Amino acid sequence: AQSVTQLDSQVPVFEEAPVELRCNYSSSVSVYLFWYVQYPNQGLQLLLKYLSGSTLVKGINGFEAEFNKSQTSFHLRKPSVHISDTAEYFCAVSGAGGTSYGKLTFGQGTILTVHP
Amino acid sequence: NAGVTQTPKFRVLKTGQSMTLLCAQDMNHEYMYWYRQDPGMGLRLIHYSVGEGTTAKGEVPDGYNVSRLKKQNFLLGLESAAPSQTSVYFCASRPGTGGSQETQYFGPGTRLLVL
Repeated sequence: AQSVTQLDSQVPVFEEAPVELRCNYSSSVSVYLFWYVQYPNQGLQLLLKYLSGSTLVKGINGFEAEFNKSQTSFHLRKPSVHISDTAEYFCAVSGAGGTSYGKLTFGQGTILTVHP
Repeated sequence: NAGVTQTPKFRVLKTGQSMTLLCAQDMNHEYMYWYRQDPGMGLRLIHYSVGEGTTAKGEVPDGYNVSRLKKQNFLLGLESAAPSQTSVYFCASRPGTGGSQETQYFGPGTRLLVL
């Protein structure tokens, strides 16, 4: 079985400040990791993903995340946020093999609110 | 490419009514998924398909049925709707296995209210 915990349900931040959204996972097999963003009343859009290789992954809109296997974490960061980054962010894990292969398990979501 | 589309966008049902949600993808993807999204719970997998003619249960399959008669379509059925099925339903598709094919692409969602 696999699970994902997003440690903050809401993160308020001022425009141009840095932000970190935290994600921890558990799995009995190797994993693929994803961050998705959901703008109000829209579907989910992929921000970035870790499949293998370099543990620092860069995505769209200036976001990046670091895979830390020892701490089972995949935290999302952005050095300077914009008002347009206000959205809900989801961390998700998929097993790289076994019965959880290809099936995404999502965290509860983190609502990022950027204030002017 | 339209990507992943979902029909309808909104629906209101009375308890006990039935309905079918349609998901279509024009990317020739092998895998398709149905999720439901509820506040504070993220997305949970209802059913999925690894290819035309196949279906399998996900995390929360009770009260739902699915069919994948054509590769591009994945239907989600509610035979007897219950208020607990009030949710936002998302369909997703994935190209195949390995590398960049592991990414799932999501539709815009269907908002369902069961009274």
